[in-house]
Amino acid sequence: QQQVKQSPQSLIVQKGGISIINCAYENTAFDYFPWYQQFPGKGPALLIAIRPDVSEKKEGRFTISFNKSAKQFSLHIMDSQPGDSATYFCAARTQAGTALIFGKGTTLSVSS
Amino acid sequence: DAGVIQSPRHEVTEMGQEVTLRCKPISGHNSLFWYRQTMMRGLELLIYFNNNVPIDDSGMPEDRFSAKMPNASFSTLKIQPSEPRDSAVYFCASSYYGASDTQYFGPGTRLTVL
Repeated sequence: QQQVKQSPQSLIVQKGGISIINCAYENTAFDYFPWYQQFPGKGPALLIAIRPDVSEKKEGRFTISFNKSAKQFSLHIMDSQPGDSATYFCAARTQAGTALIFGKGTTLSVSS
Repeated sequence: DAGVIQSPRHEVTEMGQEVTLRCKPISGHNSLFWYRQTMMRGLELLIYFNNNVPIDDSGMPEDRFSAKMPNASFSTLKIQPSEPRDSAVYFCASSYYGASDTQYFGPGTRLTVL
């Protein structure tokens, strides 16, 4: 119940293409769903986040789509760039002040 | 503003030795989290503190692991005795719950136990 399942494990996208990473969860008590980006040798950093009362959130080239009934959410990266090559983690938590539960991560490679 | 500070950045030790990892959270933050990252298990929570009090340590692997937060600006994660399977990157993160959900991660400590 506490798991967040992320797919695919790895993704190769051409420069300018759309990258899509999917996550699914079971715990309906989750109320905050962030995506973190991690570059090699660095700690994860918050990229974008959404709450379940909203179906979509967009920040620049990054969009989260959220489907509450299906208990799924996804990250879309439009016009993917080589600088987007990193590992992306979806996460969820039940309430403020609690720890994040992370998906296993997706390694994205954007080829030029 | 300085981010989360972790030391050391790299640690190589031999099996059976004691290892102490250190973390300084962002000033003003009242939640602190210790995570471990491995290829096999991904990012997993070890323990977290709110206002210096341990809230959930269910992720601590076993009695060999212990964590303390003596004050709002310092935390340690200790492994005694260390084993090769403890080799991983250990991250500390902090946040200010009540005002923001964002957890800010430090650069991590890469631990290698030979």
